[in-house]
Parts: sequence; structure tokens; C-alpha cells
Amino acid sequence: ETVLTQSPATLSLSPGERATLSCRASQSIGSYLAWYQQKPGQAPSLLIYDASNRAAGIAARFSGSGSGTDFTLTISSLEPEDFAVYYCQQRSNWPLTFGGGTKVEIK
Amino acid sequence: QVQLQESGPGLVKPSQTLSLTCTVSGDSISRGAYYWTWLRQHPGKGLEWIGYIFYNGITHYNPSLKSRLSLSLDMSKNQFSLRLSSVTAADTAIYYCARDNSGPIDSWGQGTLVIVSS
Repeated sequence: ETVLTQSPATLSLSPGERATLSCRASQSIGSYLAWYQQKPGQAPSLLIYDASNRAAGIAARFSGSGSGTDFTLTISSLEPEDFAVYYCQQRSNWPLTFGGGTKVEIK
Repeated sequence: QVQLQESGPGLVKPSQTLSLTCTVSGDSISRGAYYWTWLRQHPGKGLEWIGYIFYNGITHYNPSLKSRLSLSLDMSKNQFSLRLSSVTAADTAIYYCARDNSGPIDSWGQGTLVIVSS
């Protein structure tokens, strides 16, 4: 099973700041990585797929990069609604797996 | 806009079978364009992929659950279902049904909490 390790576990930032979230895979997954946002009491929602493609309706401040084993989700300028938990997910190897999440909280 | 809605008992006794159904609206399972997926999230924890079923009945299960898991379709009702047998407290979780668009999971149900307890 491909293990995804996300760091940091918690990111404390202020609105307007830049957020950089990391996801590292235990083996190469090409570009088959997605990012999701989850707010309290809600289901996750897709942000980025195939490492760098924004899903429909996702704001341009969200961007993804990386390939192989190292990936990054960047939020260029945090809006109040961006404070949430973010998960990465790989689809290169079975079973599909998720990272443990990064919580972006208000500083 | 596709919508997915989970339904089923919120409380299951240990050793019994957990059964959930997902009703899809705004899309047709028979169209064959997506993988109809179940995931779960243990309270306060991360996400676990359970498995998917394709429109033709082909399934793919998480090996960790495969021996207890069965997914099925009812295309006449545009529904797909999950059955997980011999449940324990470790199966207590929020269960989500979702639409897998060949990798990225682009639509999710709201989730349903299932508690395993006597």
C-alpha cells in the first residue's frame, strides 16, 4: 500500500498569508495525486486532481505541484473560508490511499 | 449537478452486518462513466477508501476489508449499496458514498454516521 505522509499536521496562519502544504508518497505515484478540502461537519470536496489541475469552480489561489513522491498544495492568500483540513489522495496504486491531513487554522 | 445520499441504520450490533444504500440523482449509474465508491472516516481521523463498483458490476475492494465486504447495484433505482459483515467497534465511522471520476473523487454524499455497539 502506498503511504502518504502530510506535513505539517497543523499550520497556524493569518488571513492573507500564504499556505504551503506537503504530501510525500512512500513510492512514486507519477502525477496521480489529488487534494481535498474538508470543513467541520462536511464531506471532503475536490480541489486539485492529477497534481496540478484545479477542479471545476476552484479559486485560482489554490495551486498544486509535484510529481513522483513529493507534492505541494499552495494557497496563495488565505481567505477566511480556507481554514479547514486538507487531504491528499493517490490513485496510482491499489488501494487508493489518503494522507493523514493538514489542518490549516487561524493564528 | 449530481447528488448522492446515503441511507441506512445508524446503529449496528457487533458481529452483525452493516448495510447502506446510496441514491444517485442528477446522473445515471448506467451511463458507465464513473466508479461508484464508498469511503469512511473514523471519528476525528482520516479517510479510508472502501471500494467501488462499476456500472457493469465489476468491483474493486480494499484488501483490508475484502473478506467482509460486498458492493452491489440497483440500476432500476439508480442506487448502489454496501454490505459489511461481522462488524466490530472498529467499523464505527462516517460512511460516504461518492463518484470516482477515474481517480479524483469529484462528488460526495453528506455522509452517514454508523455506530457499532450493543
